[in-house]
Amino acid sequence: GAGVSQSPSNKVTEKGKDVELRCDPISGHTALYWYRQSLGQGLEFLIYFQGNSAPDKSGLPSDRFSAERTGGSVSTLTIQRTQQEDSAVYLCASSLVQGNSPLHFGNGTRLTVT
Amino acid sequence: GQNIDQPTEMTATEGAIVQINCTYQTSGFNGLFWYQQHAGEAPTFLSYNVLDGLEEKGRFSSFLSRSKGYSYLLLKELQMKDSASYLCAVRDDSNSGYALNFGKGTSLLVTP
Repeated sequence: GAGVSQSPSNKVTEKGKDVELRCDPISGHTALYWYRQSLGQGLEFLIYFQGNSAPDKSGLPSDRFSAERTGGSVSTLTIQRTQQEDSAVYLCASSLVQGNSPLHFGNGTRLTVT
Repeated sequence: GQNIDQPTEMTATEGAIVQINCTYQTSGFNGLFWYQQHAGEAPTFLSYNVLDGLEEKGRFSSFLSRSKGYSYLLLKELQMKDSASYLCAVRDDSNSGYALNFGKGTSLLVTP
């Protein structure tokens, strides 16, 4: 597709369940990012992938969060044993690896933990 | 985003001009970006500044002063569709790769 694609667009899950969120970046973009946006808060950086390098996981809030990027393209963000405070919009973005390259965002996955 | 400050809310009239300010603190500045985000939608890229001065793009302009750690987004001839949140974001060499640090956003309401 032409843009960053995320699925599902909405996810409602019970506390304690695991969830998996998917991101398909723009073709040719080697950098991929996950952010989280809570109501009234700014975008919170979670994790960054660049080519075949080890990902930067410095923004992950706890060890319940993990992410993979297979084949340098599609990425999945997994949240284990979800908690109510995990409720947020999870945004994926991709970019070229250049200083002036903006991040291009997907429409996000709205996660609600009940 | 703790080092990026912008007003929480602004209101302006259709047809007018509005300036949204952003101040930042960073150790390895490598560019400032403005994004527009309509409710329930993805942020979309508006402008990029890395050198001091004004960048103009149609009705939108963005200004940067690196020495002051200051930027503004200027919106001219406001339209109702400009009602949205405007996000200031900084690329910092000390960050992860090319990740951006975002401010909390300025919610702009355009009234008739």
